[in-house]
Amino acid sequence: QVQLQESGPGLVEPSETLSLTCTVSGVSVATGGYFWTWVRQSPGRELEWIGYVYYSGSTKYNPSFKSRGTLSVDTSKNQFFLKLTSVTAADTAVYYCARGIGSGTAWFDPWGRGTLVTVSS
Amino acid sequence: QSVLTQPPSASATPGQRVIISCSGSSSDIGSHYVYWYQHLPGTAPKLLMYRNDQRPSGVPDRFSGSKSGTSASLAISGLRSEDEAFYLCAVWDDTRSAPVVFGGGTKLTVL
Repeated sequence: QVQLQESGPGLVEPSETLSLTCTVSGVSVATGGYFWTWVRQSPGRELEWIGYVYYSGSTKYNPSFKSRGTLSVDTSKNQFFLKLTSVTAADTAVYYCARGIGSGTAWFDPWGRGTLVTVSS
Repeated sequence: QSVLTQPPSASATPGQRVIISCSGSSSDIGSHYVYWYQHLPGTAPKLLMYRNDQRPSGVPDRFSGSKSGTSASLAISGLRSEDEAFYLCAVWDDTRSAPVVFGGGTKLTVL
C-alpha cells in the first residue's frame, strides 16, 4: 500500500534552514494527478497547509511560506522535500507530508505520521 | 480562529450516535467538496470521508458524511471506544491565497 514517511532533524536553530524529506513507497511520485503536499501543526493550533509540489516540479505555496519555503521533488529517489529558511520559534510544529489527490481539493490520502521539528538554540 | 468552525469537543457513550459539524461559507463549503480526517496525536491523520459523503475502502459504514449549503456533518453511529480521536474537516477555497483550509478539529470522547 502507499506509505509516506517524513525524515529530518528534530531540532533546528533559529535563523537556520529546516530541511525535511518525505519518502514515498507503494506509488511513484511521478504518477500524474497526485500533488505531494506538506502540512504542519504548531502547538495548540489547527493544521496549516504549506503547499504542494507536482512531479513536474511545479509548485503551489501558502503565501505565508512562499518567501522562505522551497518545495521540490526527486522522482529518481521517489522523494519530495521541504526547505524553510530563517526559521523562528513560530516554526516549531509537527510537519506532515501527504499525497494530494487531484487539483483543487483538500483530499489527502495517505499522510505520514509526522515529524516534530523544534526551533531552539 | 479557523476558517471552518467545528465544536471543540463532543462526547457520547458506546453504541450511541454522534454528529460533528463543520460550518463554513459560500466560498469554501458552499462551493467545494468537504473532506473529513480522523487524527490521533502521534499518528498519521486518516482520510475518513471524501467528496462530502464518500467512504474510502476500509472505513466502516458507521461513518457517514453529509453537506448542506455552507455546513457539513460527520455522523458516527454505533460508537466504539476506538473512535475516540480528533476529527477535522477540510475544504479547498480558491478565493483564498492559501486555498486549503482546515477546521479547528473536534475531540471526540467516548465515555
